[in-house]
Amino acid sequence: DGGITQSPKYLFRKEGQNVTLSCEQNLNHDAMYWYRQDPGQGLRLIYYSQIVNDFQKGDIAEGYSVSREKKESFPLTVTSAQKNPTAFYLCASSLRQGRGEKLFFGSGTQLSVL
Amino acid sequence: AQKITQTQPGMFVQEKEAVTLDCTYDTSDPSYGLFWYKQPSSGEMIFLIYQGSYDQQNATEGRYSLNFQKARKSANLVISASQLGDSAMYFCAMRVAGAGSYQLTFGKGTKLSVIP
Repeated sequence: DGGITQSPKYLFRKEGQNVTLSCEQNLNHDAMYWYRQDPGQGLRLIYYSQIVNDFQKGDIAEGYSVSREKKESFPLTVTSAQKNPTAFYLCASSLRQGRGEKLFFGSGTQLSVL
Repeated sequence: AQKITQTQPGMFVQEKEAVTLDCTYDTSDPSYGLFWYKQPSSGEMIFLIYQGSYDQQNATEGRYSLNFQKARKSANLVISASQLGDSAMYFCAMRVAGAGSYQLTFGKGTKLSVIP
């Protein structure tokens, strides 16, 4: 079945450590996105990519980095510069960018600080 | 800037009854799309329904319908014949055609609880 796979489901980070969240899709979608969700809040956009080897910052990109070397993959690195990384992270994709293009989401990664 | 407001942090509905979840939005762009997503306790976001700003009729998808009132900038989700499996968080979101990025902006969500 086509879909978006995020791993791991749970991740723990130590102080000063960088961690990478994986996101893979087999939907042949051009656009991919990373969102952060805090308790009682909606989703906030971290980074997005419209094509391979290109990505743009979203509303809360500080302390995060991404790469898009392959169409199927869009990993997110939470760096030590992100002082409050504990949150639920959701990866999404859409066939292309457009007003009516719906996003398909993965099942998320819960990141916690030790 | 675009903004989505969901004023109901939590809602209760009796099984088999209908329920309306409120959503208001703010944008100066005449071209936009409105979405509703469901988030069960498992965490995955599930697409429910879409309404384009130029669509003449309200969108419907099975038990879901969108009450689109453009002049009032509201896009309320109506769930008919509620089921226990409808208990979840529901998010309203908007995508604007301008700015070239088509970012999806989300509201803070409404937690729906269906009572047997």
